[in-house]
This record gives sequence, structure tokens and C-alpha cells, in this order.
Amino acid sequence: SQTIHQWPATLVQPVGSPLSLECTVEGTSNPNLYWYRQAAGRGLQLLFYSVGIGQISSEVPQNLSASRPQDRQFILSSKKLLLSDSGFYLCAFSGSSYNEQFFGPGTRLTVL
Amino acid sequence: QQPVQSPQAVILREGEDAVINCSSSKALYSVHWYRQKHGEAPVFLMILLKGGEQKGHEKISASFNEKKQQSSLYLTASQLSYSGTYFCGTSDGGNYQLIWGAGTKLIIKP
Repeated sequence: SQTIHQWPATLVQPVGSPLSLECTVEGTSNPNLYWYRQAAGRGLQLLFYSVGIGQISSEVPQNLSASRPQDRQFILSSKKLLLSDSGFYLCAFSGSSYNEQFFGPGTRLTVL
Repeated sequence: QQPVQSPQAVILREGEDAVINCSSSKALYSVHWYRQKHGEAPVFLMILLKGGEQKGHEKISASFNEKKQQSSLYLTASQLSYSGTYFCGTSDGGNYQLIWGAGTKLIIKP
């Protein structure tokens, strides 16, 4: 069966510190991978998506970056966090041509 | 061209029915429905493809009117477990993204 893992579950970081969030998928090959951010009480904001190793599309200009070093691994990074980077970060994958997306458990990031 | 969801929020008593709508100004290939409980990740409910398909999942069903570019999610005899925020995601079939609605918050009271 297909599963998706994200860690850590929660993270509190000071402003200006670096960030690395990791997402891995099991049970599928060559998935499309997505990073979303959700502010409290708000909708889903697509940050990055990837259709293959090393292929990253950015949707929102910001101080975040994404990488896909392996087929089923997706990493979200920042060199210096801002207060506005706080939120609920969700990784998702899609393994079919119909693009149903399945979400990981998320990482709740608080930047202080 | 974010799809418009209505209503923004609805409060029901357990056992009552609810309808959530998702409308787009663009021609759609598919509509996806998700439910997100407080503090958790969204969970995929169902996908409807171009062709006016209707689908069901226990007491939750949905329809897709291709001509109107509108999908409706029907929750019958609502249960407490149905509480959460419902999102629709739409695709025109042209890329790998879904365009998400702003969500409809559903509160079920005993």
C-alpha cells in the first residue's frame, strides 16, 4: 500500500534559523510530489511541485526552496526563516493520471 | 481562477443533510473533494471526472455538472464524525496541479 511520511510533526524555530522538512513516499514509483502551506483557518497554498528527480516547479516566490534528491523523497528548505513562514506544512503525492493527491500528516512550524 | 465554494460555513444537528457547492469559471476535467479535521491533514474523499458523473461513498455522495462547471457534495443524515472543513480541488486536465477552493467549514452538533 502507498504511504507518505513527514517529519518532524512540530517544530519551533527562531527567526533567521535554517529549515529542513523531509517527506518520503512508499509503495509507488515516480509520484508527483507537492509541498503546501496552510495558515491557521485558511486554505491550501501550493508552494512547490515535482514530477521527477531534480524537477522542481515553484508557485510562490519566497525564501523557501525544494529539492527532490531521490524518486520518493521531497525536501523543503530555507536558509533563514521569517515570522511569516509559520504555518502547517503539508507534503502530498499523486500516483495516477487523475491527480488525486494524498497528504502526509503535516509539520506544524512556529517561527518566533 | 480559484473555484468558489458555498456556503463558507454551515452548522447542522446530527442527522440533518448538507450540500456543499464548488463552482468554477473555467472548463473542468475533474473535481476532487477532501475533508480536513481540525489539526489534521486533508483526506481524499472522491474524484469526479468530466462527464457529469455522480459518485457515492457511504452517506456522502457528489455530482459534477460539466455544463455549469459545478460540483456538489451531499452529506445525508450527518454524523458527528462529518465535522471538518471540506475543500474542493479542480483540474482542467492541463497540468499536475489542483486549484483549491477556500473551504467550507461544517459543524455537526449532537
